[in-house]
Amino acid sequence: SQQGEEDPQALSIQEGENATMNCSYKTSINNLQWYRQNSGRGLVHLILIRSNEREKHSGRLRVTLDTSKKSSSLLITASRAADTASYFCATGDMRFGAGTRLTVKP
Amino acid sequence: DTAVSQTPKYLVTQMGNDKSIKCEQNLGHDTMYWYKQDSKKFLKIMFSYNNKELIINETVPNRFSPKSPDKAHLNLHINSLELGDSAVYFCASSQGALRDRHLYGYTFGSGTRLTVV
Repeated sequence: SQQGEEDPQALSIQEGENATMNCSYKTSINNLQWYRQNSGRGLVHLILIRSNEREKHSGRLRVTLDTSKKSSSLLITASRAADTASYFCATGDMRFGAGTRLTVKP
Repeated sequence: DTAVSQTPKYLVTQMGNDKSIKCEQNLGHDTMYWYKQDSKKFLKIMFSYNNKELIINETVPNRFSPKSPDKAHLNLHINSLELGDSAVYFCASSQGALRDRHLYGYTFGSGTRLTVV
């Protein structure tokens, strides 16, 4: 299965701190995607990193990909209360894990 | 607004009833999906259609039947509803054929919260 598995399951930080979430997968991939889900809403696409890329930035988001370790990380810098959400990773066949629940305290 | 829209947003119904959830996308995407999210937030793919043709059919009870009248619509009909069907159901779409889904992100609807009592 190419399902991504996020770690940790839950993360609680103070506003202004950085948040790091990890994703591991089992098989080779073409790309890996990160999504955010606010409570009661659908998933929103954040960033896509291709298998030949090692790092990608989008605003306060930084995604890394290590295909040798079959893992990816999502870093949110200078977090805000509005970043409170669940974050999911997904690989090529778009199978998701249970996500990381991030809480940013004001 | 360009989007994936689902109706209804909330659905409360009794066991044994039959219900439908509708999904429409105006993004011009070729592939549409249904996902089920359980109480533990685990998202599981159920079905995928590409241009009205069923492509993915995961291990889902026969009581669930998707219908795609055209490539912009993918509806989900559920017969004989059971308590375990209670979940949030998400519709999504992606650009291009199913084999190209790794190239693009998905656009999700806002979900339908189904409660079976």
